[in-house]
Amino acid sequence: GAVVSQHPSRVICKSGTSVKIECRSLDFQATTMFWYRQFPKQSLMLMATSNEGSKATYEQGVEKDKFLINHASLTLSTLTVTSAHPEDSSFYICSAKAGGSEQYFGPGTRLTVT
Amino acid sequence: AQKITQTQPGMFVQEKEAVTLDCTYDTSDPSYGLFWYKQPSSGEMIFLIYQGSYDQQNATEGRYSLNFQKARKSANLVISASQLGDSAMYFCAMREGPYYGNNRLAFGKGNQVVVIP
Repeated sequence: GAVVSQHPSRVICKSGTSVKIECRSLDFQATTMFWYRQFPKQSLMLMATSNEGSKATYEQGVEKDKFLINHASLTLSTLTVTSAHPEDSSFYICSAKAGGSEQYFGPGTRLTVT
Repeated sequence: AQKITQTQPGMFVQEKEAVTLDCTYDTSDPSYGLFWYKQPSSGEMIFLIYQGSYDQQNATEGRYSLNFQKARKSANLVISASQLGDSAMYFCAMREGPYYGNNRLAFGKGNQVVVIP
């Protein structure tokens, strides 16, 4: 089956620093990748949709300058949380899909900002 | 308006019993897909079962079955013969539009299930 990886699985960073999360499709080419955010005991909230080679489409209320998304290749998308603050602490999950497939989810990245 | 509604509070289920998780959805698109995912405490989203809007039969995958009632816009998940490893959050999700489109998923708030021995 289709495998999506995320790195790192867990990261702790200091307030004011930036952190990059990678999402890779390991055995298929992902034309579209999605980034979700999940607070404890809540549902997944879509942050943005990215298509390879083009700018990401952000959901309403998501700051594009704070959450930088790059989808430079068909197997890699990155989410950079810039100038992170404690309120950015959350579980970030990516998913990827090829043109004719459903979404496959990565294992998630737990971000803690101290 | 909420696209996916899951309103049941946390549930305790006896091992080996069946459990039904409710999900209702709202869409005017004739083509859509309904999904159930399991999220254990580790956080990964585990795909369980899928039902397409044009599928005539209810979907089944091992111990999971989906009770699809299109007119009522409900897609309840039935887990038969519960196991301790079934303890997790369960999310219902909907994709509006055909699978080959660039369509995102809308998730419900989830149901917490705890299986007790």
